[in-house]
Amino acid sequence: NAGVTQTPKFQVLKTGQSMTLQCAQDMNHEYMSWYRQDPGMGLRLIHYSVGAGITDQGEVPNGYNVSRSTTEDFPLRLLSAAPSQTSVYFCASTENLSGANVLTFGAGSRLTVL
Amino acid sequence: AQSVTQLDSHVSVSEGTPVLLRCNYSSSYSPSLFWYVQHPNKGLQLLLKYTSAATLVKGINGFEAEFKKSETSFHLTKPSAHMSDAAEYFCVVRRARAAGNKLTFGGGTRVLVKP
Repeated sequence: NAGVTQTPKFQVLKTGQSMTLQCAQDMNHEYMSWYRQDPGMGLRLIHYSVGAGITDQGEVPNGYNVSRSTTEDFPLRLLSAAPSQTSVYFCASTENLSGANVLTFGAGSRLTVL
Repeated sequence: AQSVTQLDSHVSVSEGTPVLLRCNYSSSYSPSLFWYVQHPNKGLQLLLKYTSAATLVKGINGFEAEFKKSETSFHLTKPSAHMSDAAEYFCVVRRARAAGNKLTFGGGTRVLVKP
């Protein structure tokens, strides 16, 4: 089925470790984004991309890096994990930014940093 | 700047009774408004969206929402709750043609449906 695929679904890290959350979509969407979800705060935008080779910061970018070498993939990297990065992470994509395009979300990746 | 306030963090209803989830927003520009639903351990799914057409918007699973500009509200309703409606609901605002598609999410309302 077409959609947004995130891996891994669960991950436990120790403080200072690095890891990459993977996101892939097969809908040829130009726009991809990463959000984190924390209780009572809704979802907050970390980074986004409007096309291959183009990325920009969202609301809470510190501690995270992204790249967009292909249209399909948009990995999120934590270079040195901190307990404050314990959260549920969602990748989302849409065709482009015109109109009120609806985001398609992945199933989420739950990260715990000890 | 834009913001979204969901007035209830938790709502408890009995099966078969109406559901009302309240959302107020602020936006300097003509906004697009959305309601998303998140079932446990799942991603977010769109329920409905408002994009400056009809002010009463019908969505999936019997939900609807009314855009009231004078009250800056976008409340979500359903006439009769079903057990499968137990989930968390997010009101979302997007400024028209906002750079980066920067959606602003409300804090969420968790709905409990009692038999």
